[in-house]
Amino acid sequence: QVQLQESGPGLVKPSETLSLTCSVSGGSISGYYWIWIRQPPGKGLEYIGYSFYTGSTNYNPSLRSRVTLLVDSSKSQFSLKLISVTAADTAVYFCARGVASGPSWHLDLWGRGTLVTVSS
Amino acid sequence: DIQMTQSPSSLSASVGDSVTITCRTSQSISNNLNWYQHKQGKAPNVLIYAASNLQSGVPSRFSGSGSGTVFVLTITGLQPEDFATYYCQQSDSAPYTFGQGTKLEI
Repeated sequence: QVQLQESGPGLVKPSETLSLTCSVSGGSISGYYWIWIRQPPGKGLEYIGYSFYTGSTNYNPSLRSRVTLLVDSSKSQFSLKLISVTAADTAVYFCARGVASGPSWHLDLWGRGTLVTVSS
Repeated sequence: DIQMTQSPSSLSASVGDSVTITCRTSQSISNNLNWYQHKQGKAPNVLIYAASNLQSGVPSRFSGSGSGTVFVLTITGLQPEDFATYYCQQSDSAPYTFGQGTKLEI
């Protein structure tokens, strides 16, 4: 059974870099979109971006200048880096797998999410 | 960005009831709409993809309909395990936005 697990620091200082990794166990990285989503406390879900297994990426324009998404097939992992964080980046961060469904796609597998707090 | 308007934001119901949740989009997205269930502390699960397709393993009491700008998730015969938060998400064009969620409570 394929599972996703987020890992990384739960506390990041303002202006520093938030780095998270999502480990894929029980399955392959190939053929899928690897996606990051976040949920600030008391708010809705926000799409951060995706990295395709080939390395191509798509970023939410609201975060594009600060975010980098990478896939490491050799480690069955994908990662998120968000620079120059502020308190507004405090959120539960989810990793997820996107799978094609005809001409569209959906998120068929999610991690449980990890809370990252930005505070000094 | 495509704006998503999901309603209601919260809903009280009883076991055995049927409920509907509506998602409206600011522009037509054909059938590129997915529904997810989320229970606090757990990984969200996809219920319906491409507006009306039931994800494998999801009970048939869940159904989805709609196209264009209006979509509906229906749960027929609520079970105790269905009390959760539900989200719609458009997969038509980036950034792939979500509705604000509907919290379904007993």
